Amino acid sequence: DIVMTQTPLSLSVTPGQPASISCKSSQSLLHSDGKTYLYWYLQRPGQPPQLLIYEVSNRFSGVPDRFSGSGSGTDFTLKISRAEAEDVGVYYCLQSIQLPLTFGGGTKVEIK
Amino acid sequence: QVQLQESGPGLVKPSETLSLTCSVSGGSITAYYWSWIRQPPGKGLEWVGYISHSGGTSYIPSLKSRVTMSIDTSKNQFSLKLSSVTAADTAVYFCARHHPSYGVFDYWGQGILVTVSS
Repeated sequence: DIVMTQTPLSLSVTPGQPASISCKSSQSLLHSDGKTYLYWYLQRPGQPPQLLIYEVSNRFSGVPDRFSGSGSGTDFTLKISRAEAEDVGVYYCLQSIQLPLTFGGGTKVEIK
Repeated sequence: QVQLQESGPGLVKPSETLSLTCSVSGGSITAYYWSWIRQPPGKGLEWVGYISHSGGTSYIPSLKSRVTMSIDTSKNQFSLKLSSVTAADTAVYFCARHHPSYGVFDYWGQGILVTVSS
């Protein structure tokens, strides 16, 4: 199984300030089709996860442009350019290049 | 707008079978893949498995011997059965749809807490 490792475990951010979350995979997520199968989700308290970023750097429909994803191979980053109160929750990375699909352990973000 | 709703018993006894159904509304269940994902209380997400509209399945190896998924296109529903449950199977169980292009989960149900206890 591909192991997804997220850091930090938790993060406290001042509104308007940037935040960054790292995700490392135990194997490359670059497929022979040229796509990299890395995704980011946000799970707000009491809610199901929602898709933020697909294939490393593409914002899903309706996702604010303060969210951005980057990275390649085995190292990936989710950045929030200016944190807002609604960004509180747990962020998860997910790989889908290989079954079983595996999530990172999550990064809890709180807004100060 | 596609909506998913999990249903089933919230309490299951150890060694018995957990049975959940996901009802899909606002769209057809055909032409998509559908997954179950679970989340133990206070912990992270674990993909359990998926089923295609034609009934093809894939399960996480650690649960493969105990999991069965099925789909009923006439009812726009799909189901999860997990046998021989233990306390370790206590979790919120989510059903979710796979995006047709990106392959991962775009629509989710609200989740149902299933507690395994005598």
